[in-house]
Amino acid sequence: NAGVMQNPRHLVRRRGQEARLRCSPMKGHSHVYWYRQLPEEGLKFMVYLQKENIIDESGMPKERFSAEFPKEGPSILRIQQVVRGDSAAYFCASSPGFPSYEQYFGPGTRLTVT
Amino acid sequence: AQTVTQSQPEMSVQEAETVTLSCTYDTSESDYYLFWYKQPPSRQMILVIRQEAYKQQNATENRFSVNFQKAAKSFSLKISDSQLGDAAMYFCAYRSPNAGNNRKLIWGLGTSLGVNP
Repeated sequence: NAGVMQNPRHLVRRRGQEARLRCSPMKGHSHVYWYRQLPEEGLKFMVYLQKENIIDESGMPKERFSAEFPKEGPSILRIQQVVRGDSAAYFCASSPGFPSYEQYFGPGTRLTVT
Repeated sequence: AQTVTQSQPEMSVQEAETVTLSCTYDTSESDYYLFWYKQPPSRQMILVIRQEAYKQQNATENRFSVNFQKAAKSFSLKISDSQLGDAAMYFCAYRSPNAGNNRKLIWGLGTSLGVNP
């Protein structure tokens, strides 16, 4: 059973460009979580999605950030008009849902904004 | 709101020795989950051990065990017979119970563990 897949692993964007980060959950998992890890810091929750629904976006910045998890295909975290402060590692985790909400992590995408 | 504190930014241990990493948390919930994750240089986040608050017995996974003190809100990780491959960042994390939609993990800032040969 393949683990959580994230791509790209490394992404370089210039200020003002858009960044799209993709996450394919483990087979059979319908819940996806996005976390951000700034340099020298722990992870911070951003958003929690089920198929076609955003369940909790309390950690998502109000502007420029959006996330989706369509019925078919991977979950996408989209950052518009990136700024240097967006440089971080972005981790995706997935869980199967009831009765288990254990989160399994992908390898992360390292975003560098130049 | 829940918080997780790891007061040891860095620690080191001799190979084959035992080391304990500290974690404290704050919550008003009576039921919850606690986790230790390992992040090696590859940056992959790996689950080391989990503890359900309603279970009094401390969790154990091979060389890894926890000391869960619910009243003190303390959740330390003990690594026995340390190996070079244990060198990594270790994060303590908290999660609310399964009921409701609050399933996010709340993280400490991590402890960097070095293992000396």
